[in-house]
Parts: sequence; structure tokens; C-alpha cells
Amino acid sequence: AQSVTQLDSQVPVFEEAPVELRCNYSSSVSVYLFWYVQYPNQGLQLLLKYLSGSTLVESINGFEAEFNKSQTSFHLRKPSVHISDTAEYFCAVSGGAGGTSYGKLTFGQGTILTVHP
Amino acid sequence: NAGVTQTPKFRVLKTGQSMTLLCAQDMNHEYMYWYRQDPGMGLRLIHYSVGEGTTAKGEVPDGYNVSRLKKQNFLLGLESAAPSQTSVYFCASSLYSGGTNTGELFFGEGSRLTVL
Repeated sequence: AQSVTQLDSQVPVFEEAPVELRCNYSSSVSVYLFWYVQYPNQGLQLLLKYLSGSTLVESINGFEAEFNKSQTSFHLRKPSVHISDTAEYFCAVSGGAGGTSYGKLTFGQGTILTVHP
Repeated sequence: NAGVTQTPKFRVLKTGQSMTLLCAQDMNHEYMYWYRQDPGMGLRLIHYSVGEGTTAKGEVPDGYNVSRLKKQNFLLGLESAAPSQTSVYFCASSLYSGGTNTGELFFGEGSRLTVL
């Protein structure tokens, strides 16, 4: 069975400061890893994903995450946040190549990022 | 550019009443899912479907039923609603290609259900 732990339920930060949202997972098989973002009263949107290859993945709006297999982590970082980054962020895992997960995702509990002016 | 559409967006039920949530996707995706979102618990999978006419149980299936009669639609039913089913329900779909499903999901905007 897979599980995902997001270590911080809420992260307050000032505008233009750096931020890291932490995610650890457990799985007995190879995995695909994701970060989804949910803005207020909306559905979830894919922010970035790791499937294979380079362990550092980036989004179009400046977020990045690094897959660390030895530490089973997939932390999300941004060097300088904006007010518009205020949202809830979810880390998720699915079974990787060769698995039979049918794309089912296991989500973490979510981290609410609040960016203050 | 509809993507995944859920109806209704809001509903209030009394304990014991029944209802159906409808999910429609226009992306020709094979896989569809129903999740529920509760504060501090993330999203939990209720049921999913890997194709028209198929359904399977997820992590928290009790009290729910589903049907996938058409590829583009996935229905979630509550036969006898309970207050514990008060939640926000999300439908999602994903594409199967290249011999695998990578788990990249496209979500609807959610349906907020309150059971009194």
C-alpha cells in the first residue's frame, strides 16, 4: 500500500520570500509523483509531475520539485512567492511503470500556503 | 473547453434521502474516478472506472454506488444519505496511452453535498 505525508498543514509566508512544502511517501513499487494545486472553490490542477528521468522537475510558474528516492521525498519549492500562489497544495503518488494502479492516486493531507503582502 | 463537468454543484439532503451526482468529460478519456475531499484528510478515492461498463471500488466505497454506461459519463449515487457523507465530491478523468496510465488527472470543480 502507498501513503503520502505532507509534513505541514499550513505554511504562512511573506510575498517574495522562498517557500518549501514538504512531502514524503512510502511505496513498495516504483512510483509516479505529482503536485496538484487547488485555488479556493475550484478543482485540483496539475502543477508538476515526476514520471522518470531527471529528478528535478519544474512548473511553468516557477515551482520546482525534486524526487529523492533514498529519502522517499518530493518536496516542492519556489524561490520567490507571489500573492497569487495562495492556495492548497496536494502531493500525490501513483504506481509507476509495470504497476496495475490504473492511475489511482493516493493524496497527502494538503498544505495551505498563504502568502502575505 | 469544458473538460470535466459535475452537476449539481451544491446539494442539501436529509438523512435517508437518495441522490445522484453526474460527471461528464469531453476528452475521450478511458479512466474516470470519484474522490471525496474532507478537511485535513486530502482526497480519498471512492470508486473508479477503467472503461465503459466497468467499475471498481476505491478506498472508501461504502454507502456509494457508481455506473459507467457511457464512456463520457460517470455517475455517483447515494442510496440512503448519512451525515458522514457530508463532503465535497470531485470527479476526475485520465488518459490511457502508451500502455500505461500515468495518473495525471483532470478534475471537475466539485460538488458540495450537505446531509442534515
